[in-house]
Amino acid sequence: LAKTTQPISMDSYEGQEVNITCSHNNIATNDYITWYQQFPSQGPRFIIQGYKTKVTNEVASLFIPADRKSSTLSLPRVSLSDTAVYYCLVGDRGQSNYQLIWGAGTKLIIKP
Amino acid sequence: ETGVTQSPTHLIKTRGQQVTLRCSSQSGHNTVSWYQQALGQGPQFIFQYYREEENGRGNFPPRFSGLQFPNYSSELNVNALELDDSALYLCASSFVGGVEAFFGQGTRLTVV
Repeated sequence: LAKTTQPISMDSYEGQEVNITCSHNNIATNDYITWYQQFPSQGPRFIIQGYKTKVTNEVASLFIPADRKSSTLSLPRVSLSDTAVYYCLVGDRGQSNYQLIWGAGTKLIIKP
Repeated sequence: ETGVTQSPTHLIKTRGQQVTLRCSSQSGHNTVSWYQQALGQGPQFIFQYYREEENGRGNFPPRFSGLQFPNYSSELNVNALELDDSALYLCASSFVGGVEAFFGQGTRLTVV
């Protein structure tokens, strides 16, 4: 089963770029890497998804090296409202189950 | 707003009781997943349904069961409630094979 590892917490300041790295050593060939954002007492919200190299959307970029054993979520010019928990998700197809494995999450705190 | 609604939003049950949580998927989505999220932890995958059939299950005992209906709405049933079942239960809908999922706001279950 894939296992993900993320930093427990990070601090940054408004206007800075924030990079959060997730390790997933046993990612399967057909699996995608997805990042979610979660505010307190709310369900997670999709941020970005990728398979390899680089993906960019209107809110973030995702960098995935060739071996796909890690990924980095990049948030440009963060604001106070980006304070949240960020989760790295990989699909993991085991022998008989399809389990969606979430990391423990990174609590990002943005300071003024 | 994700289009995924869960009911009830909060619930208090007594140990040993049974509970049913409900989820209405986003229009057009045929896959629903359920997660348990304990306070301060990441979501833990319970199971996933596709076209009314369970097609993936996490490490949860059989007293956690589910249903998906023809309209793709879903239920999570938990029998013989234990104190450790106290958590936020999240429902997420998606297209088949899609990792991007749209989460509801969750049901906060407290077992006393």
